[in-house]
Amino acid sequence: EAGVAQSPRYKIIEKRQSVAFWCNPISGHATLYWYQQILGQGPKLLIQFQNNGVVDDSQLPKDRFSAERLKGVDSTLKIQPAKLEDSAVYLCASSLDHFRTDNSPLHFGNGTRLTVT
Amino acid sequence: EDQVTQSPEALRLQEGESSSLNCSYTVSGLRGLFWYRQDPGKGPEFLFTLYSAGEEKEKERLKATLTKKESFLHITAPKPEDSATYLCAVQGNTGGFKTIFGAGTRLFVKA
Repeated sequence: EAGVAQSPRYKIIEKRQSVAFWCNPISGHATLYWYQQILGQGPKLLIQFQNNGVVDDSQLPKDRFSAERLKGVDSTLKIQPAKLEDSAVYLCASSLDHFRTDNSPLHFGNGTRLTVT
Repeated sequence: EDQVTQSPEALRLQEGESSSLNCSYTVSGLRGLFWYRQDPGKGPEFLFTLYSAGEEKEKERLKATLTKKESFLHITAPKPEDSATYLCAVQGNTGGFKTIFGAGTRLFVKA
């Protein structure tokens, strides 16, 4: 089984520039998540999709962050304009079906490390 | 609000020196408590899911236990390759069933 694919692995941009991250989840996984992990901290949920609909985006800074999941498969996360405090690792994860009683664990990609200078 | 607190922040062990990592949590209706391992430069890797108090799961040198307020990850006779950050997460039955992570415990095992 192929894992969660993310690209790029690293990105360095200047503040006020824009950046986009891409994620391809495990085939057949209905639920897709974007997490932000700042150095030394645990992952923080930004947005959660069930198929191509948004389930939770309460922690997404909507004035600068946006995300979409086209056709319920791949997803992109965009930041425009970036701030210094956006420097972090952006992790994508997927799970079989978040709302099943016997919910499955999250499977993570290796993330994109963003540095904003 | 759902919350996860892990302790200690860092733990240094000699090879073969057994110990435990703690995860304290508050959640509205626990759907599951998860343990993950994270190596530098990698995404978290799933280890265990625990669903109810009293449950235990084992995998090689790791054993996870669960009470109504906390979970422990016991490491028996650790090896240097067990060095990693161990993350605890909980999923409650409110707010879209979000999975909330703790800050993790960084484990260093010296040969």
